[in-house]
Amino acid sequence: ELKVEQNPLFLSMQEGKNYTIYCNYSTTSDRLYWYRQDPGKSLESLFVLLSNGAVKQEGRLMASLDTKARLSTLHITAAVHDLSATYFCAVGDNNAGNMLTFGGGTRLMVKP
Amino acid sequence: GAGVSQSPSNKVTEKGKDVELRCDPISGHTALYWYRQSLGQGLEFLIYFQGNSAPDKSGLPSDRFSAERTGGSVSTLTIQRTQQEDSAVYLCATRGQPQEKLFFGSGTQLSVL
Repeated sequence: ELKVEQNPLFLSMQEGKNYTIYCNYSTTSDRLYWYRQDPGKSLESLFVLLSNGAVKQEGRLMASLDTKARLSTLHITAAVHDLSATYFCAVGDNNAGNMLTFGGGTRLMVKP
Repeated sequence: GAGVSQSPSNKVTEKGKDVELRCDPISGHTALYWYRQSLGQGLEFLIYFQGNSAPDKSGLPSDRFSAERTGGSVSTLTIQRTQQEDSAVYLCATRGQPQEKLFFGSGTQLSVL
C-alpha cells in the first residue's frame, strides 16, 4: 500500500523568508502532483511532475521530483501573505492503476 | 461543462437518512475519483472509476457507501443510513489522460445531525 507523508504539517513563516515542504512516498511512482487549497475552497492544481529530476517553477513556488529517493519538494522563495494556504502532494501508485494517494497536507501561514 | 460540477453544494440530513451526491465530470474525462475530507484533514480516497473497467472500491469505509457511474459520465455517491461521522466534504475529481492533473469540483459539504 502506497503511503505519502508530508512535513511539516504546519508552517508559520514571515514574509520574505524561504522554506521547503517535503513529500515522501513509499513505493515506486513516476507521477507526482502538488495542489493548493484555500480555506473553504476546493483543490487547485499547481504542478505535475512526471520524471526523475523534473523541476517546475511558477512565481515563488518551485517543485522538484527525485524518484530514486521517493521525494518531492515544494520550495517557497521570499514568501508573501497570498501564499497562505494548505498544500497537498499526491502520488500516482504504479501498482494500482492510476489511483492517486494524497499526503496529509501542509498548512502554510505567511505572516506580514 | 467547463469544470467538474458537484451537487448539492451543501446537504444537511438527519442521522439514519440516505443521501445521494452527484458529480458531473468534464466532458471526455474517463477517470473519476471520489474523496472525502474531514474538517482540517487530508483527503481520504473513496472510489475510482476508469472508463469501462470495474471501479476500485477499496477506499469505501463501509457497506453503507456505494457509487455508480452511468454511461461513463455522471457519477453518484450514495450513503445509506447516514451517521454523524459521515459529516465531511465530499470531493469529486476527474482526469483525461493518465498522467494529467486531476480537476476537482467544489465539493459537497455533508452535515449529519
